[in-house]
Amino acid sequence: GEDVEQSLFLSVREGDSSVINCTYTDSSSTYLYWYKQEPGAGLQLLTYIFSNMDMKQDQRLTVLLNKKDKHLSLRIADTQTGDSAIYFCAERTMDSSYKLIFGSGTRLLVRP
Amino acid sequence: GAVVSQHPSWVICKSGTSVKIECRSLDFQATTMFWYRQFPKQSLMLMATSNEGSKATYEQGVEKDKFLINHASLTLSTLTVTSAHPEDSSFYICSARESGRNEQFFGPGTRLTVL
Repeated sequence: GEDVEQSLFLSVREGDSSVINCTYTDSSSTYLYWYKQEPGAGLQLLTYIFSNMDMKQDQRLTVLLNKKDKHLSLRIADTQTGDSAIYFCAERTMDSSYKLIFGSGTRLLVRP
Repeated sequence: GAVVSQHPSWVICKSGTSVKIECRSLDFQATTMFWYRQFPKQSLMLMATSNEGSKATYEQGVEKDKFLINHASLTLSTLTVTSAHPEDSSFYICSARESGRNEQFFGPGTRLTVL
């Protein structure tokens, strides 16, 4: 079955880059997503990438996809304290349901 | 654009009562809405998928008679937790998807506490 894994915690200094990693098992995934969740709130869609792409950049965010290794990463440049949150990666299954399978989330802590 | 709201944002109820949570897409028509449950410090668990005008599809292990889902219009889906018990206490989040779009947009969540 599908499985998505992330490391649980990442701590960086303000101004540094953050790299959050994700691995998935379903090679037929069509789209992969990154969401941000702040305490007590819903999920905010940050970006997503189609499975035939290697990279996508959107302002401070860069998504890298290694389809061979089933590895997805999110790089946040010039990390700010406001970036502290939980980041979830998710894969969309290939069937017609449009269901998302979420990773366990990575808690990013940005130190001043 | 692509705003999803939920109401209420939090609710406290007594054991045995039923609670209804609304999910609305404010500026788009949501062909499909999803209901998730999230326990503290955990990921989201998909409960069910609802398509407008048809019955919801429940994930394995989710009791459809306990978690009633209605998606009567393209902008509104409701989740009713029937005969709630303390173990139903959780953070319930909905998401919505517009036909032809790849994104799912999430509501702010509803925190349910059952005493």
